Amino acid sequence: QLQLQESGPGLVKPSETLSLTCTVSGGSITSRNYFWGWIRQPPGKGLEWIGSMSYSGDTFYNPSLKSRVTISVDTSKNQFSLKVTSLTAADTAVYYCARQLDTGVQPYYFDNWGQGTLVTVSS
Amino acid sequence: DIVMTQSPDSLAVSLGERATINCKSSQSVLYTYTNKNYLAWYQQKPGQPPKLLIYWASTRESGVPDRFSGSGSGTDFTLTISSLQAEDVAVYYCQEYYSTLYTFGQGTRLEIK
Repeated sequence: QLQLQESGPGLVKPSETLSLTCTVSGGSITSRNYFWGWIRQPPGKGLEWIGSMSYSGDTFYNPSLKSRVTISVDTSKNQFSLKVTSLTAADTAVYYCARQLDTGVQPYYFDNWGQGTLVTVSS
Repeated sequence: DIVMTQSPDSLAVSLGERATINCKSSQSVLYTYTNKNYLAWYQQKPGQPPKLLIYWASTRESGVPDRFSGSGSGTDFTLTISSLQAEDVAVYYCQEYYSTLYTFGQGTRLEIK
């Protein structure tokens, strides 16, 4: 059974960089049928897609965040990571990693999600 | 950009009754080449991540009870729970994957009346 688990700091200072890692177990991150994505949810609010990456390096980013976001994959550890720079309070959210179906044209829906990790941006 | 608008924002339904949630996209998410609607529905219970319920607008994910169904095409979609159970209390989201922006609706909160 596929499991995804986010890890990273719960508190980050404004203007600093957030680094999160998602560890995938019960399946390989090198599967050709999937992308690996990040979605966030500010407290009490809705869902915002951040970006997605295939194991081979194809990436899609939300244009509203693209200048501050980098997603990378470490196939040796079966992990993928998210970096967000120049943090502000508006980046405070639960960050989820998720698997996204890919049929070779573009990624589609998210079929497996991690439990999420709350990141608070505050001094 | 595709904007996804759900209605209502919140809904209270009696146990055993039907619940209907609507989702409207600002442009069609029907890809004529595949004749598929690029629309998914998710359920999010308190303190939990979203869970995929429906994809391609009407295909139920494995393990999802058959009281959940999706319908619609083009720009107008509906998630129906045929007989509400207590465990269905949650926020429900629609999401388009027609564009590579993967936009979610604002969510509909479903409660027991």
